[in-house]
Amino acid sequence: EPEVTQTPSHQVTQMGQEVILRCVPISNHLYFYWYRQILGQKVEFLVSFYNNEISEKSEIFDDQFSVERPDGSNFTLKIRSTKLEDSAMYFCASRGTAHGYGYTFGSGTRLTVV
Amino acid sequence: SQQGEEDPQALSIQEGENATMNCSYKTSINNLQWYRQNSGRGLVHLILIRSNEREKHSGRLRVTLDTSKKSSSLLITASRAADTASYFCATVNGLSQGAQKLVFGQGTRLTINP
Repeated sequence: EPEVTQTPSHQVTQMGQEVILRCVPISNHLYFYWYRQILGQKVEFLVSFYNNEISEKSEIFDDQFSVERPDGSNFTLKIRSTKLEDSAMYFCASRGTAHGYGYTFGSGTRLTVV
Repeated sequence: SQQGEEDPQALSIQEGENATMNCSYKTSINNLQWYRQNSGRGLVHLILIRSNEREKHSGRLRVTLDTSKKSSSLLITASRAADTASYFCATVNGLSQGAQKLVFGQGTRLTINP
């Protein structure tokens, strides 16, 4: 069964450093998402991406965040200058069909900012 | 913005018993989905129910949807220790176009005692 792959599974970084979280969505999917989950809290939407541009972003997704699909297979989330409060699990998801069906989530990257 | 809210926040039952979790939301939806998350792991899609459906089954799972009350329930029958996890409902807004993000609830932490 096709999977969404995320790397690394766990990343520790110092406050103020840049991090790039990587995702390989399912190959024929068209919509791509990043979500995050702070420990013990609910899953929050960050950004959606379609046709090589951001479709929607949340208030969390400020100027410190950016997304790219550099080569047609990878989908990356960059945090330019990490803060302690960016520590969370980050999930990538992709979807191929219309009308909200068929989301597949990756297993997540646990980001720890120290 | 719409928000799914699950209750109870935590549920502990004996193996073999049935577990019922509820979810409420605020706005019109296209569909509602349930996900499972084992501790510290990724999100696993369990079942999707469309706004024009009232009940759906998948193995030991039964989902109901009442759009007049803006609520859904997830029933797990004959629970097993392996069902221990957090369960989240997530909705897709009925009016949304394009990428159609998922909006997650707070989740129910289910513990099955052997």
